[in-house]
Amino acid sequence: DGGITQSPKYLFRKEGQNVTLSCEQNLNHDAMYWYRQDPGQGLRLIYYSQIVNDFQKGDIAEGYSVSREKKESFPLTVTSAQKNPTAFYLCASSIRLAGLGDTQYFGPGTRLTVL
Amino acid sequence: AQSVTQLGSHVSVSEGALVLLRCNYSSSVPPYLFWYVQYPNQGLQLLLKYTTGATLVKGINGFEAEFKKSETSFHLTKPSAHMSDAAEYFCAVSDKYNFNKFYFGSGTKLNVKP
Repeated sequence: DGGITQSPKYLFRKEGQNVTLSCEQNLNHDAMYWYRQDPGQGLRLIYYSQIVNDFQKGDIAEGYSVSREKKESFPLTVTSAQKNPTAFYLCASSIRLAGLGDTQYFGPGTRLTVL
Repeated sequence: AQSVTQLGSHVSVSEGALVLLRCNYSSSVPPYLFWYVQYPNQGLQLLLKYTTGATLVKGINGFEAEFKKSETSFHLTKPSAHMSDAAEYFCAVSDKYNFNKFYFGSGTKLNVKP
């Protein structure tokens, strides 16, 4: 089955700790994204990557870091510098069709709770 | 930057009634338009999208949406609500000149009453 997997589904972190959220896709999509979702605020873009070894900051990149060493993988690290990391994190990937733009597809999400 | 407005953070309908979820966008150049659905503690699932051509777009689960350029709207409808439609719905637009940039509305939670 083709799709996007995120792990773990639930993650608990103590204040001051860094944690890494996994995102893997086997759709052969070039672009991948990380979003943060808070109640009533929709989705906010953290980072995105259009190709391997390249990524750009989104609207709320402070306190987060990413890497894109393989096309299939786009892990997100939530660092201790992120002041309010408790949220639902969504990974997405996209395919571009000629003349039709990109369509983003989402993983199942990781819920991060800071204790 | 574009903006997406979803009117009504919560909508409640009776089972069998019409579902209408509203979405307006700000771009002067018609973007690509999407509706996604999210069930609790799950990711977003693509319902339908408009890129070009026919302005009435049919999606999964009996939903459809109509692109109205003059009103900069892309409202989502379903003729008859089912209990399984209870979820949160997000409207999104993609800039035609920057395909990677998606703008999401703040979401509308649909409640379906028996």
